[in-house]
Amino acid sequence: LAKTTQPISMDSYEGQEVNITCSHNNIATNDYITWYQQFPSQGPRFIIQGYKTKVTNEVASLFIPADRKSSTLSLPRVSLSDTAVYYCLVGETGTASKLTFGTGTRLQVTL
Amino acid sequence: DAGVTQSPTHLIKTRGQQVTLRCSPKSGHDTVSWYQQALGQGPQFIFQYYEEEERQRGNFPDRFSGHQFPNYSSELNVNALLLGDSALYLCASSSTRQANPGSWEQYFGPGTRLTVT
Repeated sequence: LAKTTQPISMDSYEGQEVNITCSHNNIATNDYITWYQQFPSQGPRFIIQGYKTKVTNEVASLFIPADRKSSTLSLPRVSLSDTAVYYCLVGETGTASKLTFGTGTRLQVTL
Repeated sequence: DAGVTQSPTHLIKTRGQQVTLRCSPKSGHDTVSWYQQALGQGPQFIFQYYEEEERQRGNFPDRFSGHQFPNYSSELNVNALLLGDSALYLCASSSTRQANPGSWEQYFGPGTRLTVT
């Protein structure tokens, strides 16, 4: 699986937009980009997945440039409840593939 | 519709003992994966079960074994416990019949917190 690099931590105020960038220079043609969110003492939760360009759902947006060597998770107007660890994963999928998590980005949202 | 459930929630064991953790997948899911998450680290893949067989395995010793039952539920067994086995053990389920073949969406349970003393 392609190795990913993301910031260890980020801080934000409530109501701001937060962008977390993930670098994956060795991404392969068949690889997808997936983001998970994890709250303390809970299992990770799927946020969004994309292959190229932009993907948006009710929770977040995922921006992927043409070269696909990086991606940006965008969280609009964060609230205190968005305080969590965010993981960027890259890899080929078939049936349920094994997920390789890094150390993630710890987002702290304050008033 | 119940999501992924795991039992027990917490467990305390002594070095050298054996432990069994249980997982029931989300309704309609047929694949179960197990992960170990040490404090401050991301989850690490242990193994995956589909059709009652181990399909993939991560870099974990043979002390870690598992089983999947006909109803798709699964067990994780760890023998000869070490202090380093203390972690949050997560179960994730998914379906081989997902509409999007590229989807990586796995549903995780709340985990079992294992403490080895």
